[in-house]
Amino acid sequence: DAKTTQPPSMDCAEGRAANLPCNHSTISGNEYVYWYRQIHSQGPQYIIHGLKNNETNEMASLIITEDRKSSTLILPHATLRDTAVYYCIVRSNDYKLSFGAGTTVTVRA
Amino acid sequence: DGGITQSPKYLFRKEGQNVTLSCEQNLNHDAMYWYRQDPGQGLRLIYYSQIVNDFQKGDIAEGYSVSREKKESFPLTVTSAQKNPTAFYLCASTPISGGHQPQHFGDGTRLSIL
Repeated sequence: DAKTTQPPSMDCAEGRAANLPCNHSTISGNEYVYWYRQIHSQGPQYIIHGLKNNETNEMASLIITEDRKSSTLILPHATLRDTAVYYCIVRSNDYKLSFGAGTTVTVRA
Repeated sequence: DGGITQSPKYLFRKEGQNVTLSCEQNLNHDAMYWYRQDPGQGLRLIYYSQIVNDFQKGDIAEGYSVSREKKESFPLTVTSAQKNPTAFYLCASTPISGGHQPQHFGDGTRLSIL
């Protein structure tokens, strides 16, 4: 599975959009991009995933560049409850998820 | 509500003791997984099962054992052979073993050594 690169941390103001970048320059054609988040002492929560088209659900939007080498997770109106570690993952095989260090997002009032 | 239930939430193990962590899902998912998470680190795959009565080792299976006698249940035993068992253990599942469906996780079991 392709390796991803995320900034270690970022701050966001409550009520504003949070844009979380992820680089995956070695992604192959059949690999999907997944985003999860983990709040301390809880299991990872699935947010969204996509192959090449932009995706939106009730939690977030996923923007994938045309060359698929990077993506951005957008939380449209961040709340204090969005404070968590966010993981960007690319994979093709179903049996394993490889979580890196992720981005620690802190939403401030 | 459908979901994945892990129990207990906290577990303590004495030296030389085997302990079993429970994972139950009512999502009718075929595939189930066990991961280990150490502080400040990502997840590492211990075992996974794609179908009842079948399972495969992940990256760090030594010192662990599993069974998959029922579709909804995938218990993990941490044996005395696992010399560094203190960690956060996560169970996950997906509808089928192939494809791109996301894995969904339980809330974990935190295991500590007495």
